[in-house]
Amino acid sequence: AQSVSQHNHHVILSEAASLELGCNYSYGGTVNLFWYVQYPGQHLQLLLKYFSGDPLVKGIKGFEAEFIKSKFSFNLRKPSVQWSDTAEYFCAVSGGATNKLIFGTGTLLAVQP
Amino acid sequence: NAGVTQTPKFRVLKTGQSMTLLCAQDMNHEYMYWYRQDPGMGLRLIHYSVGEGTTAKGEVPDGYNVSRLKKQNFLLGLESAAPSQTSVYFCATQTGYSGGSNTQYFGPGTRLTVL
Repeated sequence: AQSVSQHNHHVILSEAASLELGCNYSYGGTVNLFWYVQYPGQHLQLLLKYFSGDPLVKGIKGFEAEFIKSKFSFNLRKPSVQWSDTAEYFCAVSGGATNKLIFGTGTLLAVQP
Repeated sequence: NAGVTQTPKFRVLKTGQSMTLLCAQDMNHEYMYWYRQDPGMGLRLIHYSVGEGTTAKGEVPDGYNVSRLKKQNFLLGLESAAPSQTSVYFCATQTGYSGGSNTQYFGPGTRLTVL
């Protein structure tokens, strides 16, 4: 069965600091990987996704993620965070003969001005 | 286009009461999903539908029922609410199957409290 682990539950950074959020998945076949963001009081929005090709994926608002197949990882990065990046970030995976997304438990990011 | 809308936005129920949450979409998407979001647990899939007239169980289906009589609407029902169903409920939609690479689009959520 597929599963997703996000090891950082709560991250606090100062503005301009660099960000890396970990995501590891468990699945032996071809996977599709996603990062969603949920700003306070809002619904989930797609940040970026990977399904094939270049393992370095660029998303909106300066975020990027790198798919490392050998490590079963899809970590999210941003070189310089802003206060407006304060949100909860969810990694998700889908794979096989299904369209079901399996979500990680989320990482709450707080950026201090 | 409204995208994905959910009705109501907030609701408080007493234990044992019933209610129906409505998800409506104007994107002509085939697939629709109901999730619940609880602190520290991420989003968990309750039920989903791959087309009008179809429904299937997700990860946590107990205590919920769903119907997809029209392509644009996906209803989530609680027949006898329990405090354990206090949660934020999100609906999502997706175009048809494409190897799992399609994006899911989420509604704004319904915050349900069961006393």
